[in-house]
Amino acid sequence: GAVVSQHPSRVICKSGTSVKIECRSLDFQATTMFWYRQFPKKSLMLMATSNEGSKATYEQGVEKDKFLINHASLTLSTLTVTSAHPEDSSFYICSASLRDPQAFFGQGTRLTVV
Amino acid sequence: EDQVTQSPEALRLQEGESSSLNCSYTVSGLRGLFWYRQDPGKGPEFLFTLYSAGEEKEKERLKATLTKKESFLHITAPKPEDSATYLCAVDYGGSQGNLIFGKGTKLSVKP
Repeated sequence: GAVVSQHPSRVICKSGTSVKIECRSLDFQATTMFWYRQFPKKSLMLMATSNEGSKATYEQGVEKDKFLINHASLTLSTLTVTSAHPEDSSFYICSASLRDPQAFFGQGTRLTVV
Repeated sequence: EDQVTQSPEALRLQEGESSSLNCSYTVSGLRGLFWYRQDPGKGPEFLFTLYSAGEEKEKERLKATLTKKESFLHITAPKPEDSATYLCAVDYGGSQGNLIFGKGTKLSVKP
């Protein structure tokens, strides 16, 4: 299957700082990538759809100014959590698809804001 | 409201004890149903896609089936390395942006 790499796998940051998470498709070009947030014992919740060369589409209730998404190339999308607060602590996962809608997921990033 | 429900929430099995995980859905216009395996602290790993009622897919000790209302993930003679959370997701719009995920079933297989 296709490989999607996410970095970092874990990050701890201080409240008020910003954190960038990278998502790369290693062996294919992904015109669209997706960002999810996962809480313990909860479903994966889609946060936004990231399209190469255009603005991301955010799901209802997701603050676009807090969760900045940039899809700079066909193989790279980044999620920046700005002015992080403890309630932003979560597991963030990106995905990309070769053949819509089959998805291949990154390894996930555990964000802890202290 | 479109919904995906997985049961049980957690399942403990002895090695070799076969069982099934359930994913029921109330989605109109199902385009596909997906099963994923997720290990702790990792992203989901794709297992199967099912598109129509009656379809079955197999991979090693896992077999996925689909009806018009639910899907089963059968695990035959499980091993400890099968321990993971199994997620199902339903596509109702033909795009990954239209995937609805269940909360998952956490499977533990004891030797």
